[in-house]
Amino acid sequence: RKEVEQDPGPFNVPEGATVAFNCTYSNSASQSFFWYRQDCRKEPKLLMSVYSSGNEDGRFTAQLNRASQYISLLIRDSKLSDSATYLCVVTPWEYGNKLVFGAGTILRVKS
Amino acid sequence: NAGVTQTPKFQVLKTGQSMTLQCAQDMNHNSMYWYRQDPGMGLRLIYYSASEGTTDKGEVPNGYNVSRLNKREFSLRLESAAPSQTSVYFCASSNQGRTNEKLFFGSGTQLSVL
Repeated sequence: RKEVEQDPGPFNVPEGATVAFNCTYSNSASQSFFWYRQDCRKEPKLLMSVYSSGNEDGRFTAQLNRASQYISLLIRDSKLSDSATYLCVVTPWEYGNKLVFGAGTILRVKS
Repeated sequence: NAGVTQTPKFQVLKTGQSMTLQCAQDMNHNSMYWYRQDPGMGLRLIYYSASEGTTDKGEVPNGYNVSRLNKREFSLRLESAAPSQTSVYFCASSNQGRTNEKLFFGSGTQLSVL
């Protein structure tokens, strides 16, 4: 089983739609959680951290469910510019500086 | 601000050739990393350096060596390239080397080994 698993998609949604991605992780000792965004042929960039209480940044909401070992990303009012690959990142405590990346979920927002 | 600069952007090698990927950051970060990204695999850590003068193996270190030349620069060397090393390579840096620190990535190197 992969340490971090994501549905690869693609998710094809119209502009204005709400879309949600889930990511599951296998190591219950994981301490930190993030969502990164990666545009085609570009480097990944941090979208947002995921906190235990859940957090929101504009149209983006991230949530953590430790009991079921998954994190989620909700995007409201999708824009064409949201089209990208969304990477789930988890850091198991005992791995020190090692961040474990999921393979990513592709989002395509269509007009 | 340049951030993290990687060179070259593209490289084609023949099996058995050697090369060094260069990476420099101008953010005074302590920690630097080398990742490779393959389709369907996600980014995998090759080597990292928590601070100047230290390096440690990541998930997939075989076939690679690294040098933390100074605080700014962290290079990745392929001594004898193999087709399995065809990938996109990313260098990254972070401030404290802690797991909750934001990673800043370079723009990547597309490497093909024939």
